[in-house]
Amino acid sequence: GAVVSQHPSRVICKSGTSVKIECRSLDFQATTMFWYRQFPKQSLMLMATSNEGSKATYEQGVEKDKFLINHASLTLSTLTVTSAHPEDSSFYICSARAGAQGNYGYTFGSGTRLTVV
Amino acid sequence: SQQGEEDPQALSIQEGENATMNCSYKTSINNLQWYRQNSGRGLVHLILIRSNEREKHSGRLRVTLDTSKKSSSLLITASRAADTASYFCATGRGSNYKLTFGKGTLLTVNP
Repeated sequence: GAVVSQHPSRVICKSGTSVKIECRSLDFQATTMFWYRQFPKQSLMLMATSNEGSKATYEQGVEKDKFLINHASLTLSTLTVTSAHPEDSSFYICSARAGAQGNYGYTFGSGTRLTVV
Repeated sequence: SQQGEEDPQALSIQEGENATMNCSYKTSINNLQWYRQNSGRGLVHLILIRSNEREKHSGRLRVTLDTSKKSSSLLITASRAADTASYFCATGRGSNYKLTFGKGTLLTVNP
């Protein structure tokens, strides 16, 4: 089945530094990937839609300059949390769709636990 | 904004029993999907039901969809301890089929 690989699984960084999270589709091409954020015991909140070769589309309230998204190829999307602060600590998950629109579920990465100290 | 709302928020049952979770949504949808998430992990797709379908089965899973009531249910039969996880419904809509997730149901299956 379709696999999305997300790295790193855990990262601890100092306040003010930047962290890059990678999301790769291993056996399919993903023209669109999605980035979510999840707080403990809460649901997933869509942050942005990443489109290969074009600018990402951010959801309302998500800072574009804070969360930089790059989708340079059909198999790789990256999320960079810039100048991270403790309030950015969260679980970040990417997803992609392997099949035709509306016919298949989405494949999710295993998530990245970010802790900013 | 969150569209799906699951209930109950938490459910604790004994192994072998059936578990039923419900999901309600607010706007029109193309499809509704159910996902499972083990603690601290990514989501696993369980089943997708299209807006023109009313019921779907996959192994021990049974999903129903009532578009007139804007609701769906997920039934897990003969539950196992390994079914312990959070279960989310998600609705897909729009040309990009962005998913909107509900708040989830935490299912605990006791051995």
